[in-house]
Amino acid sequence: GAVVSQHPSRVICKSGTSVKIECRSLDFQATTMFWYRQFPKKSLMLMATSNEGSKATYEQGVEKDKFLINHASLTLSTLTVTSAHPEDSSFYICSAVSEYQPQHFGDGTRLSIL
Amino acid sequence: AQTVTQSQPEMSVQEAETVTLSCTYDTSESNYYLFWYKQPPSRQMILVIRQEAYKQQNATENRFSVNFQKAAKSFSLKISDSQLGDTAMYFCALPNAGGTSYGKLTFGQGTILTVHP
Repeated sequence: GAVVSQHPSRVICKSGTSVKIECRSLDFQATTMFWYRQFPKKSLMLMATSNEGSKATYEQGVEKDKFLINHASLTLSTLTVTSAHPEDSSFYICSAVSEYQPQHFGDGTRLSIL
Repeated sequence: AQTVTQSQPEMSVQEAETVTLSCTYDTSESNYYLFWYKQPPSRQMILVIRQEAYKQQNATENRFSVNFQKAAKSFSLKISDSQLGDTAMYFCALPNAGGTSYGKLTFGQGTILTVHP
């Protein structure tokens, strides 16, 4: 099956630093990638939709300047949490789709801001 | 707007028994896909099964099968011969954009399933 790699799996950093999370589709070209945030025992909350070569589309209430998304190629999208604060601590998960592949998810990143 | 509703926040089942997870949805599309995803404690999202709305036959993947009732907009997941490894949170999902497989997904609230030995 399709493989999506997400890195890193766990990040612990100090308040005020920026954190970059990578999402790669390893065996297919992803026309679109999605970024989600998930709180414990809750459903996935879509943050933004990322299309290769164009600006990301953010969901209502998601700060564009806080969560920077870059989709530089058909196999790589990155999410940068800028000037992270404790309230940004969460589980972030990406997914990738193509014309022939339904959404396949990365393993997620657990972000902890001290 | 599309909606997906999972009305069972938590369920439990004994090993080797059968359990059914419920999902209802609302969409104005006539042709669409429906998905069940599984998220075990490792938190990896795994696609369990997919149903195409124009197909009358219910999808089956080994011990997992669905009961798709298009008119009632119901899409339940049946797990037969439950195993400890089936313990997970299960999400029902419906694509937004044109109802195709590659659109944004609307997820249900999730059902936490615990399989007891």
